[in-house]
Amino acid sequence: DAGITQSPRHKVTETGTPVTLRCHQTENHRYMYWYRQDPGHGLRLIHYSYGVKDTDKGEVSDGYSVSRSKTEDFLLTLESATSSQTSVYFCAISETVYGYTFGSGTRLTVV
Amino acid sequence: TQLLEQSPQFLSIQEGENLTVYCNSSSVFSSLQWYRQEPGEGPVLLVTVVTGGEVKKLKRLTFQFGDARKDSSLHITAAQPGDTGLYLCAGAPDTGNQFYFGTGTSLTVIP
Repeated sequence: DAGITQSPRHKVTETGTPVTLRCHQTENHRYMYWYRQDPGHGLRLIHYSYGVKDTDKGEVSDGYSVSRSKTEDFLLTLESATSSQTSVYFCAISETVYGYTFGSGTRLTVV
Repeated sequence: TQLLEQSPQFLSIQEGENLTVYCNSSSVFSSLQWYRQEPGEGPVLLVTVVTGGEVKKLKRLTFQFGDARKDSSLHITAAQPGDTGLYLCAGAPDTGNQFYFGTGTSLTVIP
């Protein structure tokens, strides 16, 4: 029943390379979010979108950019990956403030 | 400093025992949500509470929103191994439009 899918599920990349993570939804929800989850920090918001081409920064946006050219797709780009960006990345969607639906996550390792 | 503090951080109990986990803040929230996250997956929404003093039940799980809307609790009756997971609270304070997650309570139920 995956209304939201993330790709890839796992990725290993080298320091300094660009990386793009994809989030795809079939729910036609207006809001889309990118979070990272790290031990001791919980889930932290990187960027979010409130419509096509409408995006804004979250708590930990440095080193990340996003794009949303279609309602269903929200891309997260690490412009030049660093080891501190090793994390699990989650995409989430919502139509209201009353609950998010999360994807299954992307485990990114920067070596 | 986390806006939402969860306690305990870790909890390991025997099957059949009862437990309570807490989510506290010094800020007032318009609503609070509880999620459960299993290893390798994204968080899944369990419940949203919106009214101070509200109590919601989901089978063996009871959720309460504090009268002042600054805290919430999750009580599990007769815990089962299937309850094992990371429990997260989340919400947006009345002031501002950021949405925050707590760092979670990791629950292990031993058969």
